Amino acid sequence: EAGVTQFPSHSVIEKGQTVTLRCDPISGHDNLYWYRRVMGKEIKFLLHFVKESKQDESGMPNNRFLAERTGGTYSTLKVQPAELEDSGVYFCASSPTGVSPLHFGNGTRLTVT
Amino acid sequence: GQQVMQIPQYQHVQEGEDFTTYCNSSTTLSNIQWYKQRPGGHPVFLIQLVKSGEVKKQKRLTFQFGEAKKNSSLHITATQTTDVGTYFCAGKSGGSNYKLTFGKGTLLTVNP
Repeated sequence: EAGVTQFPSHSVIEKGQTVTLRCDPISGHDNLYWYRRVMGKEIKFLLHFVKESKQDESGMPNNRFLAERTGGTYSTLKVQPAELEDSGVYFCASSPTGVSPLHFGNGTRLTVT
Repeated sequence: GQQVMQIPQYQHVQEGEDFTTYCNSSTTLSNIQWYKQRPGGHPVFLIQLVKSGEVKKQKRLTFQFGEAKKNSSLHITATQTTDVGTYFCAGKSGGSNYKLTFGKGTLLTVNP
């Protein structure tokens, strides 16, 4: 079984630019989550999809962040325009049900300069 | 909102020594999960505890869930260099809320 894959693994952009992160969940996993870890801090919840629907987006920092999951398969997270405080590791995770443990991808390390 | 506090933030031990990390939630949890992240890797699920007072063991790892379902601990007996990594607890508050609230993690380093 292929795991959760994320692309790119690293991204360095300047403040004000746009970046789009992609996540391919494990096939058949209806639940897809985005989390972010800023250096030395906790892994913070951003949002949760069930298939193509946003179940909970209470963790999205502001309207510069837009997540989509068209067709209920892969998901994208766009940051536009990026700010310095957006730097961190963005993890995607998937699970077959909402109560199942999470399978994490390797993350995208985003650096905004 | 719900908060999960985890201590210590760092722990350095000699190989063979024991290690414990503790989690405390501001609210009652429906369940608590533990994850391990190796350096350069991603969090990997270890275990889930659901019942009040539950204790589960995985080889040298012992996981406990408090009676009030607000705290949890992970204890490693006789650490090995392969135990190196960051251990995270993560709790769910229940209901229709499927979001996991993570602690800051405990980074364990082991001196051979």
